[in-house]
Order: sequence, then C-alpha cells, then structure tokens
Amino acid sequence: EVQLVESGGGLVQPGGSLRLSCAASGFTVSSNYISWVRQAPGKGLEWVSVIYSGDSTYYAESVKGRFTISRDNSKNTVYLQMNTLRAEDTAVYYCARTLAGHITVPGPYYYYMDVWGKGTTVTVSS
Amino acid sequence: QSVLTQPPSASGTPGQRVTISCSGSSSNIGSNTVNWYQQLPGTAPKLLIYSYNQRPSGVPDRFSGSKSGTSASLAISGLQSEDEADYYCAAWDDSLNEVFGGGTKLTVL
Repeated sequence: EVQLVESGGGLVQPGGSLRLSCAASGFTVSSNYISWVRQAPGKGLEWVSVIYSGDSTYYAESVKGRFTISRDNSKNTVYLQMNTLRAEDTAVYYCARTLAGHITVPGPYYYYMDVWGKGTTVTVSS
Repeated sequence: QSVLTQPPSASGTPGQRVTISCSGSSSNIGSNTVNWYQQLPGTAPKLLIYSYNQRPSGVPDRFSGSKSGTSASLAISGLQSEDEADYYCAAWDDSLNEVFGGGTKLTVL
C-alpha cells in the first residue's frame, strides 16, 4: 500500500528549529517528487516546498531561506528542516507524493499531489 | 490572501448540482493545469480532480472539472450528504510555486 507518514512536529519557541520527517512506503522517494503543504488552524492550504527526483528544490517565498527540504534514499524518507521559526509557521504540515511535468513542450505544466500523509502539528509559541 | 480566488461557501440540497468557481491569472490557471482537492472535516486533503477534468481511481463521476481562460470550476452533480467538505483549487504558478485557492466550504442542506 502506498503510504506517507509524517513525524517530528511539536511545540517550539519562536526562533527555534524543528525537523519534520516524511516516511514513504509502497514507493521510492528517490524516483518521485515529494511536496510539503501546511494548514494553519482554521485556515486554508498553503504550499511550502517540493523536492524533485533530480534533487531540484523549490520553496514558497514565506519560508525561503529558513526551511530546507532534503531526502535520504536509504531511509526512503524526506525531511523538512525548519529554522528561525515564527508564530505564523504554526500549522499542520502534510507531505504528499507529487506528479509534475509538461504535457507537451511547450505547453501546460501539470503538478498534483495524489497521496497525502495524515499530517504532523507544529506549534510555535513561547 | 490566496493567489486563487474561490467563494468561501456554497450549499445545495441532496440530488442538486452545485458548482464552485476558482479564479486565477495568466501565470497559473491561464497557462498550467488545475486540480481540485477535497478535505473532509478533521482529515487530510484528498485529490479529487487533476489536470482540469481527470478523476483518480475511486472518485465518482459525479465530480467534474472544467477550465476557461484564467478560471476553473468544479461541478458536483447528484449532491450527497457525504460531499459536505472543504474544496480547494490549485495550480502551478510560473513563478515556480504551487498556489491554492482559499477553499470553499460546501454545506449539504
């Protein structure tokens, strides 16, 4: 069964750091793209970052320079290192398997997340 | 402030057809494909529609998507009580990030 399980969330003080893990089963992260998406309490979804199979990474402006996405193929796990955390980073963080690419070149770019984990909660508060 | 614009709420009675709109720009919906996600209360989002109008295995054909210019729509026909959820549109933006709508809360009356 294809599955993603997030862990590593918790309570951290403003300015602190946290590393989230996203463990995959039923497929290999090395040949797939993995995204992180977060949802603040009572709010909508916000895309955070993606790592492509070729190791390219992209980030939302709100986390650029503070968050780093990486992958350990031997553990079949993707990580999100979060530094200099702020109160506005408080959210449930989901990881999701992602499919992306061009239908035709040139042409529309498709990007969608077909398998999601259950999420891990990050609370930034003093 | 979300990049894509959705109505905050929608409603319908069982059996009715409802549509949810999603407005974007030339750098996202206008040039890339659109997806829809369903989030039932207290659960993780689930892919509902991808690449404008494709349904993943297991999604009923009561759900359909369409796009025109820089806007997209999700239609739900034969509305059922279990369709009560939050619905989000999303698209890749040419500024190299995925963008979401603010979400539409669907109430089945």
